[in-house]
Amino acid sequence: QVQLQESGPGLVKPSQTLSLTCTVSGGSIRSGSYYWSWIRQPAGKGLEWIGRIYTSGTTNYNPSLKSRVTISVDTSKNQFSLKLSSVTAADTAVYYCARDRLIVGGFDYWGQGTLVTVSS
Amino acid sequence: EIVLTQSPATLSLSPGERATLSCRASQSISSSLTWYQQKLGQAPRLLIYDASNRATGIPARFSGSGSGTDFTLSISSLEPEDFAVYYCQQRSNWPLTFGGGTKVEIK
Repeated sequence: QVQLQESGPGLVKPSQTLSLTCTVSGGSIRSGSYYWSWIRQPAGKGLEWIGRIYTSGTTNYNPSLKSRVTISVDTSKNQFSLKLSSVTAADTAVYYCARDRLIVGGFDYWGQGTLVTVSS
Repeated sequence: EIVLTQSPATLSLSPGERATLSCRASQSISSSLTWYQQKLGQAPRLLIYDASNRATGIPARFSGSGSGTDFTLSISSLEPEDFAVYYCQQRSNWPLTFGGGTKVEIK
């Protein structure tokens, strides 16, 4: 059974960089059949796709966040990571990592989500 | 960016009733539409992919239809565990986008 688990600080100061890691278990991040995505959800609001990475390191980012986002992968640790710079209160949200199927689409496995609050 | 508009925002129904949820795309996305269910405090759960294909383990009471710009998620007979928020998502164009959600609540 594939499992994803987010980890990282739950509190980040304004203007600093938010850093999260997603650890994948029960399956290899090297699989060529999937992308690995980050998605966020402010409290009481909808879902926003942040970006994704392929096992090769190829990335795609949401243009609304592209200037501040970096997603990287560490295949030796079966992990991928998110960095979001220059954060403001508007970046406060539950952050999810998810597996995105390459061919048929759909995020089929999700982490439980981690709340990141931006506050001084 | 493709905008997905879900309607209604809230659907108040009783267990056993049929639910019909709509998702409209701002331009044609062929069949590249996915539906998710999200319960309070949980991650979304994949229900339907490519507009009409049920994901593994999803009960047959869930069905999806549509193509182009208009899509529908139907739940034939609501079970107590089906009361939740439902999101549609498109993968036809960058960036991937989600609809605003439809909350199915108990009447």
